[in-house]
Amino acid sequence: DTAVSQTPKYLVTQMGNDKSIKCEQNLGHDTMYWYKQDSKKFLKIMFSYNNKELIINETVPNRFSPKSPDKAHLNLHINSLELGDSAVYFCASSRGSANYGYTFGSGTRLTVV
Amino acid sequence: SQQGEEDPQALSIQEGENATMNCSYKTSINNLQWYRQNSGRGLVHLILIRSNEREKHSGRLRVTLDTSKKSSSLLITASRAADTASYFCATASSGGGADGLTFGKGTHLIIQP
Repeated sequence: DTAVSQTPKYLVTQMGNDKSIKCEQNLGHDTMYWYKQDSKKFLKIMFSYNNKELIINETVPNRFSPKSPDKAHLNLHINSLELGDSAVYFCASSRGSANYGYTFGSGTRLTVV
Repeated sequence: SQQGEEDPQALSIQEGENATMNCSYKTSINNLQWYRQNSGRGLVHLILIRSNEREKHSGRLRVTLDTSKKSSSLLITASRAADTASYFCATASSGGGADGLTFGKGTHLIIQP
């Protein structure tokens, strides 16, 4: 059983489109995150949800909107995709705050053309 | 802003040798964590060391933490080809970790057979 699963694994889309990435965890963790990894492998936190409540909302364009229907799911919707959005997006979960290790999904490679 | 800086950026050693990677950070932390990322995969949590700990072991891994120097090291003993990966340090701030983990740029480790 995959602990943190993201879909799709690859996403190629044209500029201006709207797309969603889904994430689910079956670990019973309370907190879920979205991270963006750029071409130089730098990881930057985007959002954090704790029990469906938004905790962290870093400086990301408001074209990015997270949605957490329940504490096991955290989806990422992106409107009006731009070339600079191309990156690998990772979902992660943890038992509480960052005082515990994170479990990462395998990533979604987004390519905007 | 980026918190951790790993050093070196890349490291190539022979199988069987020990590999040491360093991480420096800037602000007070609650804990520091090390992660491994194999090519095209998600990050895997390796070890967490709390700010009141100085050394921790897990199998072939040894982590040290020097809060006075704001630095940590990861030692992998008796390296194997399967250890080839990127290694990231990540810090949780002393504010209870509500800011999530802040990752460094990573060290790319290559183990030559």
